[in-house]
Amino acid sequence: QVRLQESGPGLVRPSETLSLTCSVSGDSITSYYWNWIRQPPGKGLEWIGYIYHTGTNNYNPSLKSRVTMSVDTSRKQVSLHLTSVTAADTAVYYCAKVGYTTSFEAFDVWGQGTMVTVSS
Amino acid sequence: DIVMTQSPDSLAVSLGERATINCKSSHSVLYNSNNKKYLAWYQQKSGQPPKLLIYWASARKPGVPDRFSGSGSGTDFTLTISSLQAEDVAVYYCQQYYSTPWTFGQGTKVEIK
Repeated sequence: QVRLQESGPGLVRPSETLSLTCSVSGDSITSYYWNWIRQPPGKGLEWIGYIYHTGTNNYNPSLKSRVTMSVDTSRKQVSLHLTSVTAADTAVYYCAKVGYTTSFEAFDVWGQGTMVTVSS
Repeated sequence: DIVMTQSPDSLAVSLGERATINCKSSHSVLYNSNNKKYLAWYQQKSGQPPKLLIYWASARKPGVPDRFSGSGSGTDFTLTISSLQAEDVAVYYCQQYYSTPWTFGQGTKVEIK
């Protein structure tokens, strides 16, 4: 069973870059598409995008200009970088797995999430 | 973007009674070539990540109690909890994975009356 664990700074200054890592265990990192999803305090869920180990990616157009994701297969880690952050980027950030057979599937495994606050 | 709209925003149900949550998509999420509905339901308890309950609109994830069921057409979907238990108190989200950006409903909070 895949297990996901997010990590990174809990506090980021405005205009700086938010960088998070998702560590994957229990299965191959090359078998699935890896997603980042965020949830502002007390609010709903927003899909940020996905990355595949080949580098294939798909980012939410609402964040596309500021988002970069990558996969490090040797470390079994997935990374998220979000530039020029503002208070609106304050949220719990989740890593989640999506399978693909003949088409994409639902998010069936989620990490516990990591809270990131943007503040000076 | 496909907009997902849930109703109601919250509901209070007595223990053992039925809870029904609706989800409407702004575009059909039925893929005609495989007749699959790209709609999932998640449960999020306080302080926890979302947990997948239902996928393909009506397929229950293994391990999910059978009191949870999903149904619906191309744009209108329902999550039913047939007999509400105390441990079902949570926020429930629908999500479409028909087309990117994948989008979620705003959530429905279920409480005990």
